[in-house]
Amino acid sequence: GESVGLHLPTLSVQEGDNSIINCAYSNSASDYFIWYKQESGKGPQFIIDIRSNMDKRQGQRVTVLLNKTVKHLSLQIAATQPGDSAVYFCAEMLNTGANSKLTFGKGITLSVRP
Amino acid sequence: NAGVTQTPKFRVLKTGQSMTLLCAQDMNHEYMYWYRQDPGMGLRLIHYSVGEGTTAKGEVPDGYNVSRLKKQNFLLGLESAAPSQTSVYFCASSYHLGTQYFGPGTRLTVL
Repeated sequence: GESVGLHLPTLSVQEGDNSIINCAYSNSASDYFIWYKQESGKGPQFIIDIRSNMDKRQGQRVTVLLNKTVKHLSLQIAATQPGDSAVYFCAEMLNTGANSKLTFGKGITLSVRP
Repeated sequence: NAGVTQTPKFRVLKTGQSMTLLCAQDMNHEYMYWYRQDPGMGLRLIHYSVGEGTTAKGEVPDGYNVSRLKKQNFLLGLESAAPSQTSVYFCASSYHLGTQYFGPGTRLTVL
């Protein structure tokens, strides 16, 4: 079946370093991808999205890269800060009309060392 | 805008009791969703709605019912709670297919 997964359950980085969080997806027909951030005790918060007709998109301190050849999605965070500590989820969507749904990965914990 | 709000924030039930979780959004979104989040399982879709008066089953609908009588509200009901329904429940909404905006969650414990 189709699945969205993350390679590593936890990632520890030094404050100020760049972070790279990776995600593999298995549905080659998925055409929309989102990264969410979830802080402890809170709901997931939208970070950045990308459509399948793009391979890179930049936001403020974050960049999402999409490699459709190997079905890989990554989130890069520049100059990681303590406030970036959270669980990060990737999600994919295959647009099949009104009943299209997001499929979420299990999440990876980012821990920022001071 | 308050965004997506959920009530209550916490609840403890005994097995067999019933309850309703309320989700409200003030963004005029058409689509609304209910998820549950369990350790190691990620977010799983329970039910969703693509518009007022419509609902549909998600990935794990058993034991839950929903209603969307008003566009801004999406209710999740548990008719007879079971310990397996202990979880954190998130509501989300979206204007179109794509980015979903989440509420703060409801932590439910069923004893």
